[in-house]
Amino acid sequence: NAGVTQTPKFQVLKTGQSMTLQCAQDMNHEYMSWYRQDPGMGLRLIHYSVGAGITDQGEVPNGYNVSRSTTEDFPLRLLSAAPSQTSVYFCASSYRSIGGQVLAEAFFGQGTRLTVV
Amino acid sequence: AQTVTQSQPEMSVQEAETVTLSCTYDTSESNYYLFWYKQPPSRQMILVIRQEAYKQQNATENRFSVNFQKAAKSFSLKISDSQLGDTAMYFCAFMKHLRVPSGGSNYKLTFGKGTLLTVNP
Repeated sequence: NAGVTQTPKFQVLKTGQSMTLQCAQDMNHEYMSWYRQDPGMGLRLIHYSVGAGITDQGEVPNGYNVSRSTTEDFPLRLLSAAPSQTSVYFCASSYRSIGGQVLAEAFFGQGTRLTVV
Repeated sequence: AQTVTQSQPEMSVQEAETVTLSCTYDTSESNYYLFWYKQPPSRQMILVIRQEAYKQQNATENRFSVNFQKAAKSFSLKISDSQLGDTAMYFCAFMKHLRVPSGGSNYKLTFGKGTLLTVNP
């Protein structure tokens, strides 16, 4: 059971370049989200999805795009990389219990360290 | 909007001793979840313990326990018999208690800024 898989683990981009951070989960979870972690800031929510075809913005969505065409995959796109997007990025997933209640435990990927120069 | 505050940026403890990490939060919700996550140097986020606000009993997981004071909006983590492997960044987090059908929103984890715990030999 792979859980949540993020690729790549490390990436260096030049300002203005675009790229996609991949996230896949094999647990059939409905809820997926992307966070960025910056020193002294904790984790901040970028975008999230409550199911295939449904996405919404978090706290810090500017400069990022997401889509959810399948339950398994939730890629994060940087449209035009900026130095301010240098950060560690985490993907997480969670699921709803049979009774409809959101089971709040989030399973995290191992993170992507992105540097924009 | 919810906020989570961890007032101790760094703490240290001697191996085998007990340490308490503080967390306070602000919300107008009456039902919600609270969590402590551990992030060791490997960067992996690991769930340590979870508390549901409607439960009065404090959660425990082996050497980890919480002191949940709902009226005071306080959620501290106690680590007993500290081990070198407990050295990590610890994050307190909040989530609303939701019942939503597919297509619902407001699924959000709000994190504190973290406390770096060092366990010394």
